[in-house]
Amino acid sequence: GAVVSQHPSWVICKSGTSVKIECRSLDFQATTMFWYRQFPKQSLMLMATSNEGSKATYEQGVEKDKFLINHASLTLSTLTVTSAHPEDSSFYICSARTGQENQPQHFGDGTRLSIL
Amino acid sequence: GQNIDQPTEMTATEGAIVQINCTYQTSGFNGLFWYQQHAGEAPTFLSYNVLDGLEEKGRFSSFLSRSKGYSYLLLKELQMKDSASYLCAVIDSNYQLIWGAGTKLIIKP
Repeated sequence: GAVVSQHPSWVICKSGTSVKIECRSLDFQATTMFWYRQFPKQSLMLMATSNEGSKATYEQGVEKDKFLINHASLTLSTLTVTSAHPEDSSFYICSARTGQENQPQHFGDGTRLSIL
Repeated sequence: GQNIDQPTEMTATEGAIVQINCTYQTSGFNGLFWYQQHAGEAPTFLSYNVLDGLEEKGRFSSFLSRSKGYSYLLLKELQMKDSASYLCAVIDSNYQLIWGAGTKLIIKP
């Protein structure tokens, strides 16, 4: 149980392109979803927290207009990196959790984004 | 401020036992997680502790002492596939999850 699917796994695209990443909870209802970014050999950095039907809460320093998050249903959240540039290249990982805050986050497999 | 400390890197031998420590100073405490993360992959959930004591799950056990702000992850009968980073994360009083930087565990034959 507690399977989270993230798609796509790899994206390589030109600078200026917008990239959409999907995160789905397959066998449970994810009231809350999280988006992380991780650079090589560094720790997870939380970008934003989204609750179904509400606007996402962004961490300090994360541009809301650059990283658009939509959590339209209890099983789907999307992250769109708008007008991506080479410095946006990173490993993006989503996680999902039920409504109870003491429940573990279950992670998708991550999306490796490379902007040329 | 909130802080979670873990060793950066540890080395152990296949078949042996290793203990990875985690100390935390957070604004409140509502539980502690251990995750495993293989290189280039997303983290996977290992354990959750909210009460003092030891939680055993197969070869892996996790211990918590709330009064000391301390936890450890114990891995027994180490296998090569256990080479990974192990992340400690604490839920604070606002139910925010505070992540440690992780401990890279290297298993040698």
